[in-house]
Amino acid sequence: DVKVTQSSRYLVKRTGEKVFLECVQDMDHENMFWYRQDPGLGLRLIYFSYDVKMKEKGDIPEGYSVSREKKERFSLILESASTNQTSMYLCASSSTRPHATQYFGPGTRLLVL
Amino acid sequence: AQKITQTQPGMFVQEKEAVTLDCTYDTSDQSYGLFWYKQPSSGEMIFLIYQGSYDEQNATEGRYSLNFQKARKSANLVISASQLGDSAMYFCAMREGWSGGSNYKLTFGKGTLLTVNP
Repeated sequence: DVKVTQSSRYLVKRTGEKVFLECVQDMDHENMFWYRQDPGLGLRLIYFSYDVKMKEKGDIPEGYSVSREKKERFSLILESASTNQTSMYLCASSSTRPHATQYFGPGTRLLVL
Repeated sequence: AQKITQTQPGMFVQEKEAVTLDCTYDTSDQSYGLFWYKQPSSGEMIFLIYQGSYDEQNATEGRYSLNFQKARKSANLVISASQLGDSAMYFCAMREGWSGGSNYKLTFGKGTLLTVNP
């Protein structure tokens, strides 16, 4: 079974703090993704990576950065957390074949005060 | 225009009955994939079923089947014999193209909240 883990289920941070969300997958998947999920807006892609050290912006990259130094680990960084970044953050990974199905971690609920 | 449209914000079904969750999509690509995910209140997204644009038969996985009507650009999820544990948000998603890189991205609909009544 595919296993995607995220470093925290719940996180509370203060405005202006630097926040690291980590995601690890154990299936040697090439692709990894970070989404945020907000009520009424569905899932929106923040960043994704299709190889180590490679990254591409998704639909809402502003205020975020990412790092992928090893194939199994993909980190999302909030350089200076703001209250509008309070959200549910979901990490996913996928292979390239056969269907590139994305498998998700349990999610991190982030509250920025 | 939205690429994935789920027109039912909420649905109710009686336990043991079948239910259909609607999904329509918009793409100009000939090669694409359609996915359904379930998200219980715990938050984790669970992959349910996949349909490729070139698949001639509707996909099935246990109690889940996908009613794929390519000409109408619809990919409705059918859950047979509903169970209380099926109560969750359900998301339809699409991957467009098949040449790698950004083609591995998924676009999600806004979801349908299914409630199964005893």
